This record gives sequence, structure tokens and C-alpha cells, in this order.
Amino acid sequence: KAGVTQTPRYLIKTRGQQVTLSCSPISGHRSVSWYQQTPGQGLQFLFEYFSETQRNKGNFPGRFSGRQFSNSRSEMNVSTLELGDSALYLCASSLIPGNTIYFGEGSWLTVV
Amino acid sequence: DAKTTQPTSMDCAEGRAANLPCNHSTISGNEYVYWYRQIHSQGPQYIIHGLKNNETNEMASLIITEDRKSSTLILPHATLRDTAVYYCIVRVADDYKLSFGAGTTVTVRA
Repeated sequence: KAGVTQTPRYLIKTRGQQVTLSCSPISGHRSVSWYQQTPGQGLQFLFEYFSETQRNKGNFPGRFSGRQFSNSRSEMNVSTLELGDSALYLCASSLIPGNTIYFGEGSWLTVV
Repeated sequence: DAKTTQPTSMDCAEGRAANLPCNHSTISGNEYVYWYRQIHSQGPQYIIHGLKNNETNEMASLIITEDRKSSTLILPHATLRDTAVYYCIVRVADDYKLSFGAGTTVTVRA
């Protein structure tokens, strides 16, 4: 059974640009969440989606957005990139909200 | 949420069992103990979880004390690929997010 798949794995963007990251959850999983991980701040929750609805949102500016599609796939978007947005962005899925959470390998974003 | 306390680091010999302790003295009755690990540059990997009883799967065993104030993750035969940061967290069943502490950096040596 395939795990959580994230694309792209690595990307470099310039300040001011925007980026879209994609996530395919484990087959059958309907809940998807996103996290940002940095050495200084650790793991920080971005948002959670279930049945195409955002159920919870972390304390991030409006430049960070996401969505979930009817097949449970999800995307997150960061607009007007800042240097501080450089981080590992992790997608995670679970069968339903509250069940065991499984992470993908992450997307490494570097903003220059 | 209850907090957990783990040693900062520990070494283990390849082929030997690695016993990783975790203290969660303020755990509530409805909170599960979860273990994840993160190998450098990869996403966190789920290992095991439990509520009261000891649990075992293909990766590890989880021993929870009777008073549930502490637990031990056991990697039965550590390999070099088990070198990682191991996170012990407590979580209620319907908690929508995870929070990791500093974890234990485990280094398996040949």
C-alpha cells in the first residue's frame, strides 16, 4: 500500500514568487493535514482538511492556503514567498480526523 | 495536553535492543501514547501507539506502566537504519494535530 506522496520533493523559489505543493494521501484516507517544519520552530500545524472542507487552521498568515479535492488529494499554496518560508513542508493523512496520522516524505522549499 | 519528557540522546549497539524511555506523568485517561521517528531529511514515520496495554508490531514494542505515567519503546534488534530522532507524544483520540517535542536522538553504532 503506497504511503503519502508529496510532490515536488525539492524546489527553489525566489522571494515574492508563489509555490504550490501537492499531496496524495494513503488510499482510503480522507483526512489530510499540512505541517511546516524548521530547525528553529520545530513542527507547526498549518491546516487540516476532511471531505473537501478545512476543519482547522494553524497560526499562519493568509499567504498560506490550501484545498482538498473530491478524491482526497490536497494542495497547499504559499504566495508572496519570504525567506522565512524556507522549510520542510509535510503532508499527513489519516482515515478520518483523529485517527493515526501518517506523514509523507515532505517537500523541501528553499526561498532565495 | 500532557507533556512528555525524553532523554536528549542515546547510543545503541547494532544488533542489540534499544530501550527508549518516555515520561508522561500528567497523562489523562483518554490520552494515547504515540511514537514517531524522523530520519534525517525525511518525514516523520509512525511507529506504534497504545492506551493502556503493551503493544507490539513489526517495528517495535511499546511497554506502558500500569499507572500510565511512563512508557518504553523497544527496538528489538537495532540496525544502523534506526538512527533517527524518536518522538514520544500523548494525544487524545480526536486531536486533529500533532506536536513534537525535542525527542531523543538515537545513534546506532556498528
